[in-house]
Amino acid sequence: ILNVEQSPQSLHVQEGDSTNFTCSFPSSNFYALHWYRWETAKSPEALFVMTLNGDEKKKGRISATLNTKEGYSYLYIKGSQPEDSATYLCALSRSQGGKLIFGQGTELSVKP
Amino acid sequence: GAVVSQHPSWVICKSGTSVKIECRSLDFQATTMFWYRQFPKQSLMLMATSNEGSKATYEQGVEKDKFLINHASLTLSTLTVTSAHPEDSSFYICSAGHRTNNEQFFGPGTRLTVL
Repeated sequence: ILNVEQSPQSLHVQEGDSTNFTCSFPSSNFYALHWYRWETAKSPEALFVMTLNGDEKKKGRISATLNTKEGYSYLYIKGSQPEDSATYLCALSRSQGGKLIFGQGTELSVKP
Repeated sequence: GAVVSQHPSWVICKSGTSVKIECRSLDFQATTMFWYRQFPKQSLMLMATSNEGSKATYEQGVEKDKFLINHASLTLSTLTVTSAHPEDSSFYICSAGHRTNNEQFFGPGTRLTVL
């Protein structure tokens, strides 16, 4: 993998469904994997920064895992709510404070 | 959390004019700020990395004479699109790197339309 890739591109779920997205990235020269939540007309909001293989982080109903050896991260949302509707971006950094290489994002729509 | 503002949020200009976009970190000092551009249905693409008090580092393919970046203080960076043309129409967004951790905090972005 040469780029940061996210799947699916978009996802439509019902309120209460649990869902997950994938971020794949080149495993060489890895420093950190970032997840952002981006609502329309707002700033992207940092969710997680993950650096260690096997890392698992949680914030409320949202959690993320990291596998640096195989180059992927999963983001899980438990019991999706309409307010979770947003684009979820992942980004790779190769050094501390370094530039971010973004995936195209997964657009989540949660219907009440 | 850390807050980054960006101004203006949208701008429409005539071809040939220059447009300045400001990015400010409101409650923290940012030694490094980043400028990204996003075309429809595409990823955020890094244009340049800006360090306070020094020249910006531009990504391959980004014209430094067209996209002038100034980072005069620890809380302000500006991007000037010079002699804008319709192909420069895009969404421009900045981020500020926090000194004490790995996070980058983003502004809300600027939608530029060049007629």
